[in-house]
Amino acid sequence: ETGVTQSPTHLIKTRGQQVTLRCSSQSGHNTVSWYQQALGQGPQFIFQYYREEENGRGNFPPRFSGLQFPNYSSELNVNALELDDSALYLCASSDRRGLDYEQYFGPGTRLTVT
Amino acid sequence: SQQGEEDPQALSIQEGENATMNCSYKTSINNLQWYRQNSGRGLVHLILIRSNEREKHSGRLRVTLDTSKKSSSLLITASRAADTASYFCATAISGSARQLTFGSGTQLTVLP
Repeated sequence: ETGVTQSPTHLIKTRGQQVTLRCSSQSGHNTVSWYQQALGQGPQFIFQYYREEENGRGNFPPRFSGLQFPNYSSELNVNALELDDSALYLCASSDRRGLDYEQYFGPGTRLTVT
Repeated sequence: SQQGEEDPQALSIQEGENATMNCSYKTSINNLQWYRQNSGRGLVHLILIRSNEREKHSGRLRVTLDTSKKSSSLLITASRAADTASYFCATAISGSARQLTFGSGTQLTVLP
């Protein structure tokens, strides 16, 4: 069974640029959630995708957007990067809709905005 | 915003001792989950306790939930150096099950 993978591992971008982060969910999982974790803080929920549709969103501006593909992999896109977007971005997959079930996390993408 | 707050923020114990971490939250929940994170990497799910449950065990882990006090505790018995990590509680809020909200975590250090 393949676990959740994310790419790239690290990324450095300049303020104002756009970035795309990728996530491959665990085999058999149809739900992907994205989280932002600032240094020293707990993860904050960005949004969740279930079968290619957005299935819930946290308190993040529209410049944070996502996609889920037919194979259930997912992308997180962030436009007009700000310094405060520097964080660890985590994706998590599960085989159930919603959040009442165990989630399997990837290792994260460390984004630095300069 | 953080729904759950862990206490203490940091905990240092000797190998073999028990470690207890507490979590308080603000609103009604569907379930509460505990996760472990090693050195800023991905989170590992430890245990999920539903709002109608009071206690759950998994190996050396024991979790309690008191919905009247809106609090939970995680007990790790006979700790090992490999238990050194950050521990987070996360709540799935009633009426908004898609929103999993994490606390700010407890950094546990187990000294050999």
